[in-house]
Amino acid sequence: NAGVTQTPKFRILKIGQSMTLQCTQDMNHNYMYWYRQDPGMGLKLIYYSVGAGITDKGEVPNGYNVSRSTTEDFPLRLELAAPSQTSVYFCASSYTRTGNNEQYFGPGTRLTVT
Amino acid sequence: GENVEQHPSTLSVQEGDSAVIKCTYSDSASNYFPWYKQELGKGPQLIIDIRSNVGEKKDQRIAVTLNKTAKHFSLHITETQPEDSAVYFCAAIDTGGFKTIFGAGTRLFVKA
Repeated sequence: NAGVTQTPKFRILKIGQSMTLQCTQDMNHNYMYWYRQDPGMGLKLIYYSVGAGITDKGEVPNGYNVSRSTTEDFPLRLELAAPSQTSVYFCASSYTRTGNNEQYFGPGTRLTVT
Repeated sequence: GENVEQHPSTLSVQEGDSAVIKCTYSDSASNYFPWYKQELGKGPQLIIDIRSNVGEKKDQRIAVTLNKTAKHFSLHITETQPEDSAVYFCAAIDTGGFKTIFGAGTRLFVKA
C-alpha cells in the first residue's frame, strides 16, 4: 500500500492564480480530510469528506473548494490564490469515525503564494 | 471557538531523561485524544491515543494520561532517545468524530 499520496510536493503560485492539490489514498478509507499547517502552528481543518459525493467545511474553508467523486481521490482547489494561503497542506484519511479513528497523513504540499 | 492548548512549545532533554507534554482542551464533547509525531518534511503519524473512558494508557516508553474533569491530557516519554526528537501534536476529537482540533505542537530535542 502506498497509503496517502499528495502531489505536487512544492508549488509557487502568483497572487490570483488557481491550482488543484491532489490527494489519493489506497486504503479504502471512507473519511478524508484536508488540513493546513502554518509555521509554528497546529493543523487546521479545511474540509472533510465522509464518503464519495459528501463533503463539509472545517474550521478554515474560505478560499478553498473540494470534491469527492471517488473513494480514493479528494482534490483541494484553490481559486484566486492569496498570500494568506501560503502554508503546508496535508491530506489525511481514516477508516471510521468511531473506535480508533487513526488518521493517516500524506507527506504534504508546500505552497507559496507571492 | 473550541481550542486545544499545548505546552511547552519547545522542550530539550538529555538522552535517557523523561519528557512530558501537556494539553488542555475546551470542548466538553471531546472523547478521543490522539498524539501525533511529526518528523521533518513528513506528515504527522499517530503514536498513541486515549479515549475518554480511560484514565491512562501505556505503550512501551510512551504513556498518555487523561483527566476529563480538568480537561487535561499529557504525553509522557521515558528513557528518551535521539530518534524521539520531533514535533509532537496533541489533538481532541468530538463525539461526531470528524472535527479534530490540534494543539500548536511541541518541538522536542533529545541531546545525546
